[in-house]
Amino acid sequence: RKEVEQDPGPFNVPEGATVAFNCTYSNSASQSFFWYRQDCRKEPKLLMSVYSSGNEDGRFTAQLNRASQYISLLIRDSKLSDSATYLCVVGLSMRFGAGTRLTVKP
Amino acid sequence: SQTIHQWPATLVQPVGSPLSLECTVEGTSNPNLYWYRQAAGRGLQLLFYSVGIGQISSEVPQNLSASRPQDRQFILSSKKLLLSDSGFYLCAWTLGLAGDTQYFGPGTRLTVL
Repeated sequence: RKEVEQDPGPFNVPEGATVAFNCTYSNSASQSFFWYRQDCRKEPKLLMSVYSSGNEDGRFTAQLNRASQYISLLIRDSKLSDSATYLCVVGLSMRFGAGTRLTVKP
Repeated sequence: SQTIHQWPATLVQPVGSPLSLECTVEGTSNPNLYWYRQAAGRGLQLLFYSVGIGQISSEVPQNLSASRPQDRQFILSSKKLLLSDSGFYLCAWTLGLAGDTQYFGPGTRLTVL
């Protein structure tokens, strides 16, 4: 089993849709988690950290489920500009998931 | 503010040639530094990380090596490139080893022919 696994995607959704990605991790000792966004041919950029109690930043909500060892990212009211690849990373081992590609269509 | 630089931005090299990619960080001291590789359409693979000058940890045995000659300088090298070394090479830094946000440089796109 890989240390970090993500929904394979791709996700193709219309504008305004709500979409959710999951990311599972194998190391139960992991303490920190992040979601990054990567645009085509660019470096990843931090989208948000994932806190134990869950956190929200505008249209984005991140949650952590320690019992089942996964994190999730929910995007509400999708915009065309949300089209990108979303990468999860487990902080303790600095391992990235392979990424989930999202395309938001008009 | 902190900034991270990588060069060159793009590189085309023949199989068997040497490689040297450079990463420098400004605006911080004693950062932890990382080299990742991303093959086309794939996720990020951690190659090396360093917690200080001369301290290098290798994650994947291969024909690449890394060095940290100065506090804010991280170099990725190879004596002989393979076709499979093609990819997008990203340098990143954090202030703490575990649990800190990583900030990435703009990357070097390497094509080995």
